[in-house]
Amino acid sequence: RKEVEQDPGPFNVPEGATVAFNCTYSNSASQSFFWYRQDCRKEPKLLMSVYSSGNEDGRFTAQLNRASQYISLLIRDSKLSDSATYLCVFSFSGNTPLVFGKGTRLSVIA
Amino acid sequence: EAGVTQFPSHSVIEKGQTVTLRCDPISGHDNLYWYRRVMGKEIKFLLHFVKESKQDESGMPNNRFLAERTGGTYSTLKVQPAELEDSGVYFCASSQPLAGVRETQYFGPGTRLLVL
Repeated sequence: RKEVEQDPGPFNVPEGATVAFNCTYSNSASQSFFWYRQDCRKEPKLLMSVYSSGNEDGRFTAQLNRASQYISLLIRDSKLSDSATYLCVFSFSGNTPLVFGKGTRLSVIA
Repeated sequence: EAGVTQFPSHSVIEKGQTVTLRCDPISGHDNLYWYRRVMGKEIKFLLHFVKESKQDESGMPNNRFLAERTGGTYSTLKVQPAELEDSGVYFCASSQPLAGVRETQYFGPGTRLLVL
């Protein structure tokens, strides 16, 4: 079983739509969770950390469910510029390597 | 402030040759990580330096890969001799541990390596 499972997509959504991605992880010792965004042929960039209580950053909302071992990302009012691959990432503690999922591709169309 | 830089951006070499990748982390960052993405796979960890010391090299695929970080500043990753399966994108990331703050790793643009 892979450490991180994500639906690869692609998710093709119209501008203004709400889209949600889920990600499951297999190792219950995982401590820190993140969503990274990666544009085509670019490096991954941190979109947001995911906290147990859930957190929101503008149009983006992240949730963590430790009992079921999944995290989610909700994007509201999708923009064309949101088109990218969204990577589910965790680490076991601070200053340790990141473990990546393969990513979910999102295309927002006009 | 300059971000993480990597050189070269692309490298095409023949099987059996040697290639050296370089990473310059964000100034002052003690942590330096190497990752690799092979086509069709997820990004995978290779190696972690804290300053000049190798903290974790459990992700290094085999002894054809040698990483160094002399002086705790920039790092090099040498592949010798290169094999076809070494093709992929090699990312470097750096971070600075701060007490009570979740670590953020900042990635460089990557080096695209193609072994023919």
